Amino acid sequence: QVQLQESGPGLVKPSQTLSLTCTISGGSITTGGYYWNWIRQHPGGGLEWIAYIHYSGTTHYNPSLKSRASISLGTSDYVFSLTMTSVTAADTGMYFCARGLAGTYGWFDPWGEGTPVIVSS
Amino acid sequence: QSVLTQPPSVAGAPGQRVTISCTGSSSNIGADYDVHWYQQFSGTAPKLLISSDSNRPSGVPDRFSGSKSDTSASLAITGLQAQDEAVYYCQSYDTILSAWVFGGGTKLTVL
Repeated sequence: QVQLQESGPGLVKPSQTLSLTCTISGGSITTGGYYWNWIRQHPGGGLEWIAYIHYSGTTHYNPSLKSRASISLGTSDYVFSLTMTSVTAADTGMYFCARGLAGTYGWFDPWGEGTPVIVSS
Repeated sequence: QSVLTQPPSVAGAPGQRVTISCTGSSSNIGADYDVHWYQQFSGTAPKLLISSDSNRPSGVPDRFSGSKSDTSASLAITGLQAQDEAVYYCQSYDTILSAWVFGGGTKLTVL
């Protein structure tokens, strides 16, 4: 079965760029019918969808983050990434990658275990 | 402030039935976008519990059920068990925001 694993720096300074990677096992990005997503969870518990990418290269962003977020395919069929520029303390939280059923009716399953991000000087 | 509104907490005794509501608007649930539910235990990632309003993925007990009507959805849990203690989130799509949106989460306590 498909499993996802996030990796990231843990600690990022304010105004710097955050870079995260999601590695897929048990499947690949090229599997049809799915979007590959980044979702974050704020310290208070709220979940926020950030962006998705399809293996064709099609992307879609949460308008609230679009100007700072960039999702991309990796150099292999098993990796995709997220970069977020000009981070602030409000970007602190747990970042998850998740497979999503393609289409606006889609759900997210499975999720990676998450990688914590702390924005602090 | 979440786009989908859930009660912060619900509680029930073992064996009882509890429901968790998820209230949206005409631009998400009311626009007939599917509602999905997730279960999250402390320190772990959310797990898909109910998909497309009322479908249980393989392995999810039939004690969990979902429904949707107008601009709201509900998750029902019957035969409450101590292991059901978790935070539950609803999720849908919002056509005005052009984004997938979540409820704020409901913490279930088994008394």
